[in-house]
Amino acid sequence: DIQMTQSPFSLSASVGDRVTITCRASQSIASYLSWYQQKPGKAPNLLIYAASSLQSGVPSRFSGSGSGTDFTLTITSLQPEDFATYYCQQTYSSPPRTFGGGTKVEIK
Amino acid sequence: QVQLQESGPGLVKPSQTLSLTCVVSGGSISSGDYYWTWIRQQPGKGLEWIGHMYYSGSTYYNPSLKTRVAISADRSKNQFSLNLSSVTAADTAMYYCVRDRSRLFDIWGQGTMVTVSS
Repeated sequence: DIQMTQSPFSLSASVGDRVTITCRASQSIASYLSWYQQKPGKAPNLLIYAASSLQSGVPSRFSGSGSGTDFTLTITSLQPEDFATYYCQQTYSSPPRTFGGGTKVEIK
Repeated sequence: QVQLQESGPGLVKPSQTLSLTCVVSGGSISSGDYYWTWIRQQPGKGLEWIGHMYYSGSTYYNPSLKTRVAISADRSKNQFSLNLSSVTAADTAMYYCVRDRSRLFDIWGQGTMVTVSS
């Protein structure tokens, strides 16, 4: 199975900050990576697919990049509603569909 | 639009079988190139993919749970179900049913919390 490792585990940031979260795959997954946002008490929500494509309705301050084994989710100008936990997920291989461990973005 | 809604007991005794149902509205589980999926999240932990059923009926399970899991469908009711046997406290989690479209989890149910305790 492909293992996904996210860093950091958590981070504190202020409204307006630029935030970067990284995700590393245990083997090359080309651009087959998605990012999800989960707010407390809610189901996750798809933000980005194919490493850099923005899901419909997602604000443009979210962006993704990377290919192969290293990927990044960037939030430019963090907004109050962006405080949440973010998960990466590989969509390259057959099941099991594996997620990263998550990165919690907290208010500084 | 397509919506998913989980239901089932919130409390299950150790060693018993956890059974959950996901009703799909706004679309048929028998049409389209979708995988109907169960994902869980233990309290304070990350997301764990349990398994899925293809719209044709074939299934695939997480190897870590494979011996205890079964996913099935009742097409007459447009719903699919999860059975997880021999549960322990480690199976206490929020359980989500999810639509997998081209390997993207694009529609999620609201989730149902299941506690394993005597």
